[in-house]
Amino acid sequence: EVQLVQSGAEVKKPGESLTISCKGSGYSFTTYWIAWVRQMPGKGLEWMGIIYPGDSDTRYSPSFEGQVTISADKSISTAYLQWSSLRASDTAMYYCGRIAAGGLGEVGYHMDVWGQGTTVTVSS
Amino acid sequence: QSVLTQPPSVSGAPGQRVTISCTGSSSNIGAGYDVHWYQQLPGTAPKLLMYGNSNRPSGVPDRFSGSKSGTSASLAITGLQAEDEADYYCQSYDSSLSYWVFGGGTKLTVL
Repeated sequence: EVQLVQSGAEVKKPGESLTISCKGSGYSFTTYWIAWVRQMPGKGLEWMGIIYPGDSDTRYSPSFEGQVTISADKSISTAYLQWSSLRASDTAMYYCGRIAAGGLGEVGYHMDVWGQGTTVTVSS
Repeated sequence: QSVLTQPPSVSGAPGQRVTISCTGSSSNIGAGYDVHWYQQLPGTAPKLLMYGNSNRPSGVPDRFSGSKSGTSASLAITGLQAEDEADYYCQSYDSSLSYWVFGGGTKLTVL
């Protein structure tokens, strides 16, 4: 069974650093892009960035460039989302998703498998 | 404000048919890029419901169908059931942003 399992809920203070993870199983982790998606409380989905674990090629949404760092360790089939200095506005649910390409290449990217989500709460 | 516009809410009675629209522009849906749909049940992660405009992943009932025309796409649900109550999101690629985008989401209420 193809699965993405994310790390547990986090409660942090503003200014602290944080890394959350997404571990893939049941498929070749190095040959599928992984995306990170933010969902702020009561709001919609926002595409943050993607990484190709095979070579760590990474592409960030313009809205999130410089705000977070996406990385991967292919040896343990795990992708990461990292903050160096959290803000209260980072409070959200974060999902990882496996990207399927569709017939048009990268412009047809969509997520066919999702992690269960990681809640991040940033509060003083 | 997303470049893909969805109605904030729609509703229907059990057994009825409802449609959810996703309106874009010439830099996304109108450019020929595929539209995909996700269903997010309360308190759960999103799930892929439709890909490539009108293709259902394995396990998705044929009560769900998708279409695209011009700068818009639609998700139709027939034979509405209580378990269809969820948030629905469209997603596509935008060439102006050079990135992938979600619609703002639509909350479906089954009356």
